[in-house]
Amino acid sequence: NAGVMQNPRHLVRRRGQEARLRCSPMKGHSHVYWYRQLPEEGLKFMVYLQKENIIDESGMPKERFSAEFPKEGPSILRIQQVVRGDSAAYFCASSPALEETQYFGPGTRLLVL
Amino acid sequence: GQSLEQPSEVTAVEGAIVQINCTYQTSGFYGLSWYQQHDGGAPTFLSYNALDGLEETGRFSSFLSRSDSYGYLLLQELQMKDSASYFCAVISWGKLQFGAGTQVVVTP
Repeated sequence: NAGVMQNPRHLVRRRGQEARLRCSPMKGHSHVYWYRQLPEEGLKFMVYLQKENIIDESGMPKERFSAEFPKEGPSILRIQQVVRGDSAAYFCASSPALEETQYFGPGTRLLVL
Repeated sequence: GQSLEQPSEVTAVEGAIVQINCTYQTSGFYGLSWYQQHDGGAPTFLSYNALDGLEETGRFSSFLSRSDSYGYLLLQELQMKDSASYFCAVISWGKLQFGAGTQVVVTP
């Protein structure tokens, strides 16, 4: 049973470009979460999605960031017009149901030049 | 909201026992989880307490006391590969709220 998959593992963007991060949850998991980790810091919740629905986006910056989890395909975290402060590791996690254990993917390390 | 406090670093020798405490201030949560993260790696789930008491998983055990707003992770028979960061996290309505992490350094 494959774990949570994320791609790309590393992403380099110049300021002003767009970054698209993809996450495929574990088989049987319909709940997806995105977290951001800045260097030397803990993980911060960004958004919680179920298929075709955003459940909680209280941790998402108000501008430039969006997330989706379509009926078919992976969940996408999209960052428009990236700035240097967006450089971080972005982790996706999934769980089979609300309040059950979340399992993390390997992360996407975004570097904005 | 929630805030979680844990020590920033703990150093111990191989074979020793280490306890990482986690105190929290929260308005309510479903359970307390512990994750391990090696440098550059993904957080790996270690243990979870929904109820008060001790949960044992091999060399790792976790404890929760809701009345004391306190939990801990116990690492026994430390090995060099246990050198990593350890995070406590409360889960509430799907969101994991993490502490800042404890860096465990295991020395020969």
